[in-house]
Amino acid sequence: GAVVSQHPSRVICKSGTSVKIECRSLDFQATTMFWYRQFPKQSLMLMATSNEGSKATYEQGVEKDKFLINHASLTLSTLTVTSAHPEDSSFYICSASLSSGSGEQFFGPGTRLTVL
Amino acid sequence: DAKTTQPTSMDCAEGRAANLPCNHSTISGNEYVYWYRQIHSQGPQYIIHGLKNNETNEMASLIITEDRKSSTLILPHATLRDTAVYYCIVRVAGGNAGNMLTFGGGTRLMVKP
Repeated sequence: GAVVSQHPSRVICKSGTSVKIECRSLDFQATTMFWYRQFPKQSLMLMATSNEGSKATYEQGVEKDKFLINHASLTLSTLTVTSAHPEDSSFYICSASLSSGSGEQFFGPGTRLTVL
Repeated sequence: DAKTTQPTSMDCAEGRAANLPCNHSTISGNEYVYWYRQIHSQGPQYIIHGLKNNETNEMASLIITEDRKSSTLILPHATLRDTAVYYCIVRVAGGNAGNMLTFGGGTRLMVKP
């Protein structure tokens, strides 16, 4: 089956620093990748849609200058949380969509970000 | 995407069938029913999807009513490892614009020994 990886799985950083999270589709090419955020005991909330070679599309209320997304290849998308603050602490999950077929989404294992 | 309604939580005895309902009364003709589950602190896992016919795979069965306004996910022999939040999502299949998934609250299934 299609496998999506995320790195790191867990990160703790100081307030004001930037953190980069990588999302990779390991055995397929993904034209589109999605970034979600999940706070404790809440559902997943879509942050942005990332298409290879073009600018990401951000959901309403998500600051594009704070959450920088780069989708430079068909197998890699990165999310950089700039100048992180404690309120950015969350579970960040990416998913990748097959370029063909039904467009099924496959999710990464998630990255737990804690900002001190 | 059409909205879905699911019970907040359900319990199931280990080894018994778990039947998780989902209402999607505003589903459009070209929208599929997808089921994902999320085990604690992991990414969501795809389970099954269907349009109007009942579907079965190695994980579960999906029963869709004839009017397509509701569906039931069936885990035939629930195990403790099936404890998770189960999300029912309806969306158009294929195409980049239709790939977006909108997650509702889901059903928290607790499988008990």
